[in-house]
Amino acid sequence: GESVGLHLPTLSVQEGDNSIINCAYSNSASDYFIWYKQESGKGPQFIIDIRSNMDKRQGQRVTVLLNKTVKHLSLQIAATQPGDSAVYFCAEIQQPGNQFYFGTGTSLTVIP
Amino acid sequence: GAVVSQHPSRVICKSGTSVKIECRSLDFQATTMFWYRQFPKQSLMLMATSNEGSKATYEQGVEKDKFLINHASLTLSTLTVTSAHPEDSSFYICSASPGTGWTEAFFGQGTRLTVV
Repeated sequence: GESVGLHLPTLSVQEGDNSIINCAYSNSASDYFIWYKQESGKGPQFIIDIRSNMDKRQGQRVTVLLNKTVKHLSLQIAATQPGDSAVYFCAEIQQPGNQFYFGTGTSLTVIP
Repeated sequence: GAVVSQHPSRVICKSGTSVKIECRSLDFQATTMFWYRQFPKQSLMLMATSNEGSKATYEQGVEKDKFLINHASLTLSTLTVTSAHPEDSSFYICSASPGTGWTEAFFGQGTRLTVV
C-alpha cells in the first residue's frame, strides 16, 4: 500500500475565510486523484476529482490544483462554513485495479 | 450518486470470536470492491481488493487468514475478522466502483468494530 498511518494534521480557519488543504502523493504514475470529506463516524464523501492531464479544476466553492512535478495536490475551499468542518483526504487512484490510496488527511475546524 | 450500504454500522464482540461485515452496492454492479481500515485520527489504509468470483488481493502486511474476504456476487462482498482481538478494534470501510478505469468509488458508511 501507499498510504502511511500518521496522525492527522489540523487546520483551523475563521468562518468566511478561504481554506487551503495540501496533500502529497507517492506514485508519479498515478493519473487520477480525488478529494474526499469524512465526517466523524462516517465513510468518505466525494468532493472533487482531477485527472493528470489537468492542473486545475473548479467546483462549487472548491478548487483542486495538481502539481505533477512535485507530486502535490491542494484543495481550496472558498468562504469556509461551519459545515465544512471535517477531515479531508486526497486519494490517488492507481491502475491496473482502480485501487485507491489515501493521503494522511487534514482535520479542518471552522471557527464561527 | 450510487449507494453502497455497509452492515452493521457498529459491532462489539468478545475476543476470540469472529465478526462478519457486509458491503452491498444497492443500485449498481461492482466487479471490484475494496476494504479499508482506519484507526482514530489516521488515514484509510487499503487492506484488500475484493474480486467477484475470485480470490481477494491483499495489501502487504495484511493477514489473509485473519481477514477473510468473500465476493460471492456482483453486489455483495463480506469481510470476516476471525478470532478477533482487541487490537483488531477499528473502523472498517468498504468501497465499490461501477466500472474500471477513471471512475469514482462510492464508500459505505463504515463499521465500528470493538473487541472486548
